[in-house]
Amino acid sequence: SAVISQKPSRDICQRGTSLTIQCQVDSQVTMMFWYRQQPGQSLTLIATANQGSEATYESGFVIDKFPISRPNLTFSTLTVSNMSPEDSSIYLCSVEDVTSGLYEQYFGPGTRLTVT
Amino acid sequence: KQEVTQIPAALSVPEGENLVLNCSFTDSAIYNLQWFRQDPGKGLTSLLLIQSSQREQTSGRLNASLDKSSGRSTLYIAASQPGDSATYLCAVPPQGGSEKLVFGKGTKLTVNP
Repeated sequence: SAVISQKPSRDICQRGTSLTIQCQVDSQVTMMFWYRQQPGQSLTLIATANQGSEATYESGFVIDKFPISRPNLTFSTLTVSNMSPEDSSIYLCSVEDVTSGLYEQYFGPGTRLTVT
Repeated sequence: KQEVTQIPAALSVPEGENLVLNCSFTDSAIYNLQWFRQDPGKGLTSLLLIQSSQREQTSGRLNASLDKSSGRSTLYIAASQPGDSATYLCAVPPQGGSEKLVFGKGTKLTVNP
């Protein structure tokens, strides 16, 4: 199974600022995913990040608001730009392990963001 | 569009009880189904993955079943313990894909000592 770390684990930010969240995996993976979990809600996929190409965003999410980088096969960043209180959520990255043929997904510990 | 529903939304049981969590999905053309556990304010821990060709999967006190034709899965927890208290989420890839996951809203389980 993949081991995923995220930084920061939590942050409190002022509206109008930006925060970059880092995701590091202990093995090389093709696809990395960024999810958002708003308070009391389930997870919603923001975008899929492949190394060497532009991220693919889900409906309702745009690159200007959530720019993503994927410089190599073990690392990705998600930036939450021009934040508002509505961006207060847990942000999680995940990877898909295809080596076993099971396509099991593993998640990082999450970044808890509060925007004041 | 794939939709996932979990019932009940919350469950409170005394320690030692056996319990069943339910998950239903609208599109049966799934590649697999995963059950996750989430502790408050934390990330997700993968509990069990059932491939579409399987009927059930077991890990310790956990047993997950899958009835793809009826669009249902159950997670059975035997001899529940206070440490099992968490939110349990099921997730499936939409439209037969193996990548993006569609999540249910979860069942919040509380096991009382």
